Amino acid sequence: AQTVTQSQPEMSVQEAETVTLSCTYDTSESDYYLFWYKQPPSRQMILVIRQEAYKQQNATENRFSVNFQKAAKSFSLKISDSQLGDAAMYFCAHAGNNRKLIWGLGTSLAVNP
Amino acid sequence: GAGVSQSPRYKVTKRGQDVTLRCDPISSHATLYWYQQALGQGPEFLTYFNYEAQPDKSGLPSDRFSAERPEGSISTLTIQRTEQRDSAMYRCASSETGGAYDEQFFGPGTRLTVL
Repeated sequence: AQTVTQSQPEMSVQEAETVTLSCTYDTSESDYYLFWYKQPPSRQMILVIRQEAYKQQNATENRFSVNFQKAAKSFSLKISDSQLGDAAMYFCAHAGNNRKLIWGLGTSLAVNP
Repeated sequence: GAGVSQSPRYKVTKRGQDVTLRCDPISSHATLYWYQQALGQGPEFLTYFNYEAQPDKSGLPSDRFSAERPEGSISTLTIQRTEQRDSAMYRCASSETGGAYDEQFFGPGTRLTVL
């Protein structure tokens, strides 16, 4: 069965600093997709970044980048130059061929001014 | 519509009552998903639709849960004979084609409380 594990329930970072959120997953499929979604206090769910497993190059979106280690089944999110608006719950998710998104439990990120 | 909308935003019901939740996806989107999110947890997949077809309902917790999307647009999730353990946020999402890589656009959710 596919699983997603986020081992850090809570993290904090100083404004303008860099923080890395961890995610590991388990799957028997060779083709799959990985996502980071952000859930701010408004409780909306917003896509931050995504990665196709067959692409070796790590995805980047402005201040957000991932470190995708396929052999280790690791998919960490790096947030550079952290801003107060980055404070949120961050969820890592995995989708295989069955289209189901399997989610981790989330990491709550606090940004300190 | 411009985004995914859900109604009601909050629902309080008594144990044993039936409830129906509504989702209005982005109008051009073929695929619609339902998730259940307990407090402090990540979303859990319930079911999805590709237009009006429902290829996967394996995540529905019991036969008290059912979902419809009869005309391939608006969807409803019905919970019969509600139980306290059904209390959760119910989220709907839609995506353009339903591909595994597609971004899913989420609605604001319906917070269900069963007393």
